[in-house]
Amino acid sequence: DQQVKQNSPSLSVQEGRISILNCDYTNSMFDYFLWYKKYPAEGPTFLISISSIKDKNEDGRFTVFLNKSAKHLSLHIVPSQPGDSAVYFCAAAIQGAQKLVFGQGTRLTINP
Amino acid sequence: NAGVTQTPKFRILKIGQSMTLQCTQDMNHNYMYWYRQDPGMGLKLIYYSVGAGITDKGEVPNGYNVSRSTTEDFPLRLELAAPSQTSVYFCASSDRRGEAFFGQGTRLTVV
Repeated sequence: DQQVKQNSPSLSVQEGRISILNCDYTNSMFDYFLWYKKYPAEGPTFLISISSIKDKNEDGRFTVFLNKSAKHLSLHIVPSQPGDSAVYFCAAAIQGAQKLVFGQGTRLTINP
Repeated sequence: NAGVTQTPKFRILKIGQSMTLQCTQDMNHNYMYWYRQDPGMGLKLIYYSVGAGITDKGEVPNGYNVSRSTTEDFPLRLELAAPSQTSVYFCASSDRRGEAFFGQGTRLTVV
């Protein structure tokens, strides 16, 4: 039972353009969502988060959008840079709980 | 500030052997976690701890054990290694909800 799904295993974007990574969830008890970035041979690093009371959160080039009715969130990266090439994981936490449920990840490649 | 440190980075085990994956953090975080990542898959929670002396099972705890005697350390024990435990293991810690810091991972192969 995959509660958090990233249906695109990979995405290729030209440098300078917008990258949009998508994530769907099934559990309506999730109330906190995060994006992590992972380079090869390294652990994931926290990128940005959003609470279910918001529908948007921005941090520099990164913006996360949350559509609760559709149970969908997305990460926008503008403009995309070569250093953004990595695997991106979407994660969610249930209300009152600390542990995270992760999606399968999307490999983003930024082409020069 | 070292963050979260895992040892070893790589290990090959024979079927039936046991080993302990070490994890230590120097950020005084209460929450610590062990995840495994299989190829093409997300991270699956094995065990977690909300403080010294308190541990609980995650999604995939079978074949593993943990202990948390101090705030800093959260070792993961594999008993009777099986090929299905071939994976990359990540330890993480947090003091705020969800925003966890991860170690560099341990790549384990069981042959």
